[in-house]
Amino acid sequence: AQSVAQPEDQVNVAEGNPLTVKCTYSVSGNPYLFWYVQYPNRGLQFLLKYITGDNLVKGSYGFEAEFNKSQTSFHLKKPSALVSDSALYFCAVSFHSGGYQKVTFGTGTKLQVIP
Amino acid sequence: GAVVSQHPSRVICKSGTSVKIECRSLDFQATTMFWYRQFPKQSLMLMATSNEGSKATYEQGVEKDKFLINHASLTLSTLTVTSAHPEDSSFYICSASQDRGQGGQPQHFGDGTRLSIL
Repeated sequence: AQSVAQPEDQVNVAEGNPLTVKCTYSVSGNPYLFWYVQYPNRGLQFLLKYITGDNLVKGSYGFEAEFNKSQTSFHLKKPSALVSDSALYFCAVSFHSGGYQKVTFGTGTKLQVIP
Repeated sequence: GAVVSQHPSRVICKSGTSVKIECRSLDFQATTMFWYRQFPKQSLMLMATSNEGSKATYEQGVEKDKFLINHASLTLSTLTVTSAHPEDSSFYICSASQDRGQGGQPQHFGDGTRLSIL
């Protein structure tokens, strides 16, 4: 079964410091990996994805993620955190089953950026 | 681009009422639409996946007769919560994808509907 794990329920980081939100995956075949962000009482917003190619993927709002096949990880990173980055972050794996797209989300990590 | 509109954003109604939530892809054709339910401080729970022109695929434990999903066109899917009860109160989120079976397309989400049943 395809799955993703987000081991941290919450990550606290000081404003201006680098941030990392962790995600590991378990898939058969080549993974399609995504990061989404959710602000309070809103739907999710797509940040970035890894399909193939360069292991370092750049996305919206200065976020990037590094695909590591040997460690089966896809951690989300940002060099300098902003207070406005405080939100709920979801890692997801996408695959096709029976000709249709299926997506499995992680449990989410709450990022708190402290001024 | 890739905007998904979900309405209404908030519904408060009496127990026993049926509630319809609409999800529209405004600037793209959605081959697949997803309906999620999210409890406070919890992850998304996939309820069902709907593909245009075919019946929705419900996840295990989701009552088909309770949560009616229609995906009549490539830009519109609806979720109807029939005879809603307080335990149906939740945050419902839809998403749409242009994926055609490869798995590599992102989902685009609506802003969710806060359903409160009194």
